[in-house]
Amino acid sequence: DQQVKQNSPSLSVQEGRISILNCDYTNSMFDYFLWYKKYPAEGPTFLISISSIKDKNEDGIFTVFLNKSAKHLSLHIVPSQPGDSAVYFCAASAIGSNYKLTFGKGTLLTVNP
Amino acid sequence: DAGVTQSPTHLIKTRGQHVTLRCSPISGHKSVSWYQQVLGQGPQFIFQYYEKEERGRGNFPDRFSARQFPNYSSELNVNALLLGDSALYLCASSLYLVGLAENYGYTFGSGTRLTVV
Repeated sequence: DQQVKQNSPSLSVQEGRISILNCDYTNSMFDYFLWYKKYPAEGPTFLISISSIKDKNEDGIFTVFLNKSAKHLSLHIVPSQPGDSAVYFCAASAIGSNYKLTFGKGTLLTVNP
Repeated sequence: DAGVTQSPTHLIKTRGQHVTLRCSPISGHKSVSWYQQVLGQGPQFIFQYYEKEERGRGNFPDRFSARQFPNYSSELNVNALLLGDSALYLCASSLYLVGLAENYGYTFGSGTRLTVV
């Protein structure tokens, strides 16, 4: 039973445009959400996070939006660059529940020059 | 500053053998966790240690065990290897447990690629 779902295995955008990566979750106990980026042969790199008391968090080119009623979050990357091409993972945690991260399957983002 | 270091980077083992994977956290980090990533999936939680105590365990069989040492480094042990244990094993370290600090996430190492034949 997948508690964190990334329904788009891949996404292709043009350089300079916005990339929107989506994530849905089913566990209502999740209260902290993170996005990671992963290049081949490297470990995941933390990008940005949001707690359930907020609906938006920005950090540089990354913005994460959280819609708790829909159990949905999205990551916006503006502007997208070819170097942003990677697999993006959405992850969630329930504070006090052994602090583990539950990951989605990932979305491969390709930014075309 | 050194990041999270894992050794070895690659490993080939035979079914039924035992394997030990090692992780050194970022200096000052007291939390270490282990994740397994199989091809096409996201990382899956195995263990969490904080201040040398096990704080969490994922849905893995008892063949999987781990420990954290006084210097906060950690080992993941897997006994009686199966073909299905072939995966990338990731170690993550952190100063805080996730969610207890704003805009903070675990820092992952590059992983150990384990192949069981």
